[in-house]
Amino acid sequence: DIQMTQSPSSLSASVGDRVTITCRASQNVNRYLNWYQQKPGKAPKLLIYTASSLQSGVPSRFSGSGSGTDFTLTISSLQPEDFATYYCQQSSITPRTFGQGTTVDTK
Amino acid sequence: EVQLVESGGGLVQPGGSLRLSCAVSGFTFSNYWMSWVRQAPGKGLEWVACIKQDGSEKYYVDSVKGRFTISRDNAKSSLYLQMNSLRAEDTAVYYCAREGQWLDAFDIWGQGTMVTVSS
Repeated sequence: DIQMTQSPSSLSASVGDRVTITCRASQNVNRYLNWYQQKPGKAPKLLIYTASSLQSGVPSRFSGSGSGTDFTLTISSLQPEDFATYYCQQSSITPRTFGQGTTVDTK
Repeated sequence: EVQLVESGGGLVQPGGSLRLSCAVSGFTFSNYWMSWVRQAPGKGLEWVACIKQDGSEKYYVDSVKGRFTISRDNAKSSLYLQMNSLRAEDTAVYYCAREGQWLDAFDIWGQGTMVTVSS
């Protein structure tokens, strides 16, 4: 199975900050890497698919980059509604695996 | 409106069984791979199982192999998860999720149904 490791596990930030979350795969997943946002008590929401493609309806302040084993999710200017937990997930092989999550809270 | 609605969760004793359902509307169910993803209380997301459009291929995470069975009824636009020999560690919110065409990602999720395994 491919292990996905996110860093940091949590971070504190302020509205307007640039936020970067990294995700590392234990083996090459090419660009089969997705990012989700989850708020408490809600289902996850797809933000980015295949490493850098923005899902329809997702604000352009969210962006993704990377390939192979190292990936990044960037929020260019954090908004109040962006405080949440973010997960990466590889779709290169089954079983699909998720990172452990990164919680973004208010500083 | 595209919608996935799970049902069937509840409290069950260790060793018991439960069948989850996911009713789909707003898109052509038979065109998509479907998955179950779970989340234990306070924990991260764990993919559980997936099934091909016609049901001919099914895959499971190792921890549920031999205990859980994923199935679908395309005529009823419904996805199922039969869970047998339940353990305390199966306690979680169970989400059904659509794997988007060309996206290789879970683009639509249900609201989840809670399964609690406890005596």
